[in-house]
Amino acid sequence: GEDVEQSLFLSVREGDSSVINCTYTDSSSTYLYWYKQEPGAGLQLLTYIFSNMDMKQDQRLTVLLNKKDKHLSLRIADTQTGDSAIYFCAESFTGGYNKLIFGAGTRLAVHP
Amino acid sequence: GAVVSQHPSWVICKSGTSVKIECRSLDFQATTMFWYRQFPKQSLMLMATSNEGSKATYEQGVEKDKFLINHASLTLSTLTVTSAHPEDSSFYICSASSGASDTQYFGPGTRLTVL
Repeated sequence: GEDVEQSLFLSVREGDSSVINCTYTDSSSTYLYWYKQEPGAGLQLLTYIFSNMDMKQDQRLTVLLNKKDKHLSLRIADTQTGDSAIYFCAESFTGGYNKLIFGAGTRLAVHP
Repeated sequence: GAVVSQHPSWVICKSGTSVKIECRSLDFQATTMFWYRQFPKQSLMLMATSNEGSKATYEQGVEKDKFLINHASLTLSTLTVTSAHPEDSSFYICSASSGASDTQYFGPGTRLTVL
């Protein structure tokens, strides 16, 4: 079945790197996404990676995908207080209407 | 680009009334729109998928007669919560994509409180 798991909480010091991890069970996913949600707001697409890629970098964000272990990670370099939010990973599948399966979300707290 | 709006951003209603939530894609044509529900400190649960001009496809366990979805145009989808009850109180988020395999862009969400 489809299942996406994330650790629920991460605390980092401002300026350090943050690494948020995600595991998924279905190897037929096509894209894997990272979304950011600030309190009381909708989801902001941060980045995504196609399932046949290993890594993608976009400014402070680096996504690593280990297909063998079905493990996805998001690294945020030089974490700032504005990065404090909930981060969701999600996987999508073809054969339908791009249905997204979300993890439970990781709450990132950045402290001085 | 790829901006999705929702209206209203929050609504409080009495038990038994119906509430309509709008989702609009502002700068692209959304052939597919999705409706999610999010409980406090939980993830998003897909409720239904709608394609312009077609009936919505509901996820298992979602009552289609209670959550009416209309996708009348390429830029607008509506979710009507009929005969709302306190257990329907939640954060409802829509998303839109321009094709079956394209990225979903999310609206800011609507917080519904049923008294």
